[in-house]
Amino acid sequence: GQSLEQPSEVTAVEGAIVQINCTYQTSGFYGLSWYQQHDGGAPTFLSYNALDGLEETGRFSSFLSRSDSYGYLLLQELQMKDSASYFCAVRGGYALNFGKGTSLLVTP
Amino acid sequence: DAGVIQSPRHEVTEMGQEVTLRCKPISGHNSLFWYRQTMMRGLELLIYFNNNVPIDDSGMPEDRFSAKMPNASFSTLKIQPSEPRDSAVYFCASTTGTGDRSYGYTFGSGTRLTVV
Repeated sequence: GQSLEQPSEVTAVEGAIVQINCTYQTSGFYGLSWYQQHDGGAPTFLSYNALDGLEETGRFSSFLSRSDSYGYLLLQELQMKDSASYFCAVRGGYALNFGKGTSLLVTP
Repeated sequence: DAGVIQSPRHEVTEMGQEVTLRCKPISGHNSLFWYRQTMMRGLELLIYFNNNVPIDDSGMPEDRFSAKMPNASFSTLKIQPSEPRDSAVYFCASTTGTGDRSYGYTFGSGTRLTVV
């Protein structure tokens, strides 16, 4: 089967750095994706890692270690607008399976 | 591009009624997915279409749920009869291929369904 584990909640201060971890179990690995969802909104694609290492996109970076079945999303220079839920996802069968999400609260 | 378009945005219906949710994927995307999101169960895949053909419907909860994709620009998800436990946000998403690449899925704004 498949499973993804990520913390349910994280709180951080504006301007700080926060890391959201994700561990996964899957029978066939095709890469780890991250999505952001604001309250009442739709999930939006943030990043995708197929190979080990760090991928950087502006203030957001995503890391993957295939040997450890582990990845993380790193958010730097946190802004209030980064308060949202963040989901890691891996492909199972034909479509993405999503973790339960991490609710990030950015405080002043 | 207007993105993935879903309608209606909100639907309130009485138990036992038929509900039809609609989705227009992004032009050129050949994969379409229906997901359901609840607090308890998170984002669950209901069905996946590729080139208008249903490929995986193992996530459809029961026979009350059905989905169609008559052409590349339109899909429907129907619930008949609806039950209160069907209350959730239903998302449609589209992509090229399987989506596990650098471009991911594009989700619609969702339909918030409330069955009373």
